[in-house]
Amino acid sequence: DQQVKQNSPSLSVQEGRISILNCDYTNSMFDYFLWYKKYPAEGPTFLISISSIKDKNEDGRFTVFLNKSAKHLSLHIVPSQPGDSAVYFCAASGGEGGSEKLVFGKGTKLTVNP
Amino acid sequence: GAGVSQTPSNKVTEKGKYVELRCDPISGHTALYWYRQSLGQGPEFLIYFQGTGAADDSGLPNDRFFAVRPEGSVSTLKIQRTERGDSAVYLCASSLNRQQQQFFGPGTRLTVL
Repeated sequence: DQQVKQNSPSLSVQEGRISILNCDYTNSMFDYFLWYKKYPAEGPTFLISISSIKDKNEDGRFTVFLNKSAKHLSLHIVPSQPGDSAVYFCAASGGEGGSEKLVFGKGTKLTVNP
Repeated sequence: GAGVSQTPSNKVTEKGKYVELRCDPISGHTALYWYRQSLGQGPEFLIYFQGTGAADDSGLPNDRFFAVRPEGSVSTLKIQRTERGDSAVYLCASSLNRQQQQFFGPGTRLTVL
């Protein structure tokens, strides 16, 4: 039972355009959401996060939006750059008992074409 | 400063053998996590240490898997009687005193033949 779902395995965009990566979750106890970026043969690298008390968090070219009623979050990257090409994982924490563990989606492979 | 390091980077073993995977967290980080990532999947939680004690081991798949962190720093994940289904990348992460942002190491790729 996937509690965090990334339904798009891949996404391709042109350099300079906006990339939108989507994530849905089922566990209403989650209270903290994160996006990680992963290059081949490396561990995931933290990108941006958002608490459930907010609906938007912005950091440079990266913005995360949270829609709690829809149990949906998205990551916007604008403008996209070729170096952004990587696998992006959505993760959530805070389930029952305020668990510290992260629950990850399967990832979306982003390709930014020059 | 140095990030999370994991050794070995690659481990090939035969079915039925015993393996140990090591994680060196970021200095001063009290929380340490182990995850397992299979092909085409996201990382899956195995176990979480706060200091020397396992605060949550609910993700360990069975009793062949065990992890220790005797001095509250380095951790070792131990797998007995390995099976082909154990083949995956084993990721370690650490965080500063229960903060949510976890810093990941590069992982150990385990292949069980």
